[in-house]
Amino acid sequence: GAGVSQSPSNKVTEKGKDVELRCDPISGHTALYWYRQSLGQGLEFLIYFQGNSAPDKSGLPSDRFSAERTGGSVSTLTIQRTQQEDSAVYLCASLEGRSTDTQYFGPGTRLTVL
Amino acid sequence: GESVGLHLPTLSVQEGDNSIINCAYSNSASDYFIWYKQESGKGPQFIIDIRSNMDKRQGQRVTVLLNKTVKHLSLQIAATQPGDSAVYFCAEKSGGQNFVFGPGTRLSVLP
Repeated sequence: GAGVSQSPSNKVTEKGKDVELRCDPISGHTALYWYRQSLGQGLEFLIYFQGNSAPDKSGLPSDRFSAERTGGSVSTLTIQRTQQEDSAVYLCASLEGRSTDTQYFGPGTRLTVL
Repeated sequence: GESVGLHLPTLSVQEGDNSIINCAYSNSASDYFIWYKQESGKGPQFIIDIRSNMDKRQGQRVTVLLNKTVKHLSLQIAATQPGDSAVYFCAEKSGGQNFVFGPGTRLSVLP
C-alpha cells in the first residue's frame, strides 16, 4: 500500500521567506511526527500529533516553527522567516498507534535556505 | 536527561562477515526499541524492534539484543551484503509516544 509521502522533495528559499512542508501519512494512522535531520546527524524531534489530542510541541526550536494536522490526516510544517540554520532534511513519520508502535517515515523534504 | 547514543560512529566490514552495531540508552523506563536503516537520500526504514520484556528478537538476517542491566542494545546483521551499506539508527520510546534517536552508525561493506 501507499507509504508516507512528503512534498516538496526539495525546497530552496531565501533567508527571511516563509516555507510550508507537507506530509501525507499512511491512511488510518493515528499519530504523526515531524523530525529534523541536519547533514550527517541524527533525528531531532520537532512535534507530534496523536488523534484529536493537543500536539506535543516540545521539540520546536523557536516560535518561527509551527505545524498543524487537518482532519487527522495531512500535516503541514510551517517555518516563518527562514534562517540559514533551518537548512536540513525535514522528515515526517506516521504510526498506527493501536496495535503497533512502529513509525513509518516519508522520504523527507530537503530545505536549503540561502 | 534522556539520551540514546552509539559506541561506534562508523563501521567497516567485509562482505559476508557479520556486523554488530551497538547502542547505549540512558532511560531505564524505556519499554520499546527500534532499529532503522537509512540509505542516502531516503527516510529511515524500519528494520526490527524489541520490547523491554524480551532480550532477543530475530528477523531475516538481523537480530536485536537488549541488555537492560547495562542499558545496551545491539543490531547484528548476518552475512553482510553491499546493500546493507547505510546509516543505522537506534531509537527508544521514552515517555508516552516520544521517540529518542541515536546519532547513527555508518556501515560500510567492503568487497
